[in-house]
Amino acid sequence: QVQLVQSGAEVKKPGSSVKVACKASGATLSSYGINWVRQAPGQGLEWMGGTIPMFDKAKYAQKFQGRVTITTDESTSTAYLELSSLRSEDTGVYYCARTYCSDGNCWRGPAYWGQGTLVTVSS
Amino acid sequence: EIVMTQTPLSLSVTPGQTASISCKSSQSLLHSDGKTYLYWYVHKPGQSPQLLIYEGSRRFSGVPDRFTGSGSGTDFTLKISRVEAEDVGVYYCMQNKELLVLTFGGGTKVEIK
Repeated sequence: QVQLVQSGAEVKKPGSSVKVACKASGATLSSYGINWVRQAPGQGLEWMGGTIPMFDKAKYAQKFQGRVTITTDESTSTAYLELSSLRSEDTGVYYCARTYCSDGNCWRGPAYWGQGTLVTVSS
Repeated sequence: EIVMTQTPLSLSVTPGQTASISCKSSQSLLHSDGKTYLYWYVHKPGQSPQLLIYEGSRRFSGVPDRFTGSGSGTDFTLKISRVEAEDVGVYYCMQNKELLVLTFGGGTKVEIK
């Protein structure tokens, strides 16, 4: 059974960076897509970016370009989201999500989600 | 960029009745491989989002058959039959036509009367 376990809550100062981890158990990450999705307080779900490790390819939402980096460590089946130049509007819950396989395509449609990591940006 | 528009913003449903949510995309979600990359999720209070429907109309593992996705091209619908108290949450449509590019709709909040 696929399980994604994320790192714990963070409190950060404006201007600093945060790195959130997402460790997979029950399956590797390399053959799937890993996406990061944010929910700010009172807002909907917002895609930040994603990667497909076996293709060594990552894409980021325009809104976060230049501030976000998604990486993976296949030796530990862990994905990371790093967000820099934090501001108060970055406060929210950050989710990692892994895709599933449908008819041999394993790179679309996040299906397995982490429990979420609350990041609070406050001076 | 593909924009996803959901209606209504919120819905109050009597238990046992049917709820219907609409989702429209600014471009066709039909891929050249013949698949339509439209997904439905529910985000219940205090939980992580859950995948309900993938590729427009296919139920994900373990999802009750009360949930039905339909539509094609740019117009899609999620129907929840025989609504139960546990169905409370915010429902999102999402497109993933292009690899590593996802867009969510604004969400529809479903409440029970």
